This record gives sequence, structure tokens and C-alpha cells, in this order.
Amino acid sequence: DQQVKQNSPSLSVQEGRISILNCDYTNSMFDYFLWYKKYPAEGPTFLISISSIKDKNEDGRFTVFLNKSAKHLSLHIVPSQPGDSAVYFCAAILGGANNLFFGTGTRLTVIP
Amino acid sequence: GAGVSQSPSNKVTEKGKDVELRCDPISGHTALYWYRQRLGQGLEFLIYFQGNSAPDKSGLPSDRFSAERTGESVSTLTIQRTQQEDSAVYLCASSFNRDTGELFFGEGSRLTVL
Repeated sequence: DQQVKQNSPSLSVQEGRISILNCDYTNSMFDYFLWYKKYPAEGPTFLISISSIKDKNEDGRFTVFLNKSAKHLSLHIVPSQPGDSAVYFCAAILGGANNLFFGTGTRLTVIP
Repeated sequence: GAGVSQSPSNKVTEKGKDVELRCDPISGHTALYWYRQRLGQGLEFLIYFQGNSAPDKSGLPSDRFSAERTGESVSTLTIQRTQQEDSAVYLCASSFNRDTGELFFGEGSRLTVL
């Protein structure tokens, strides 16, 4: 049973435009939500997180939005750069990082 | 090194053989995790170690899978009598704070069972 879902397996965006990656979840008790980025042949790297008590967190070009009523999380990247091309995983924590649930990932391609 | 180190990076084995995968976490990180990612799927939690506490083995898919960790250092994931469905990238991660989910992943060990 997938508690964290990324329904778009891929996304292509023109350089300089906004990339919006979406994630839905089922468990309203999740404490934290995170985005990880993964390049080929590398492990995932932490990108940005948001506590369940907030609705927005911004770090440079990256902003994560949390809509608890819709159980929806999104990552905005603006402006998108070719180096952002990677697979992005959404994740959610319940009580501790040993209960960290990952989505299946969205492959972002930023076209120069 | 500064990051999480895993070995081997690639392992090809025959069905029925045992394999051992190693993870060297970041120094000072008390928590260590093993995940696997099968082709086209998300990351699947396997096992979690926190200091000297009993490990959380709830994600291990069968009794052919086991893992050990010596104190707060190296961990070994062992898969006995490998099956083709065990083919995956096995990722190790470590963290200082288990509450926030900011894990530091290694590059993974790609296991192919023929």
C-alpha cells in the first residue's frame, strides 16, 4: 500500500521556466515531508523539507508547499536549470526516520 | 571519507549464492538505514539501526535477509540463497537526527542475480 504517491513519472521543462513536482499522501499523521534528488549512479541527496505544521518552506530556487487538507505536497523550482535534471523523490516521516516512506520518483528533464 | 561509503558498487551473482554488502556510515551518525530500490520502484525500507538499541527489522522481506552493525560503525547486509527478485540497488544511509528524515545516502550497491 503506497502511502506516498508521485503520479507523474516524468516531467520536461524549458530552462528558465518553473518546474512543479507533485506528491500526494494518505496518512494525515505524517510529521515531516521531504524532497530528495537523485542523479544516475548516485545515492539520493536531501534537498528540502517541511514540517507538518507549516505550509511553505523556501530555500533559494526551491520552494516546498504543503496542503494538509488536500494531503498534497509540491516542489517548485524556479528558474529551472539543466543541472536540475534528475529523479526527484517525495518522502514523508511518521514518528522517526525509520518510518520514512518514499514515493516512486519523478524524472525531471530541463531542456536547455 | 566524508560521505557514506558502500561496497561493492556492483555485484553479479548466481541464484542460490549468498552475498554480503557493506556500508560505512558518516562518522558520528548514530542512525543507519538500509533501503533497496528495484527497477521502476521507489525506495523500500529494509532495516534501521540506532545506537545500541535493538534494530528495527520490520522491512526485511524474508528470513534470507539479515543485517548487523558493530556499535556505531560499519554495517553488513547479508542475503542468503539469493533469488532473481533480490536484484536491486541496495542503498545505505546514515543520519545524526532520526526525527527530521535528513538522511545521507551512499551510492548504493547494485545486485544482479542471474
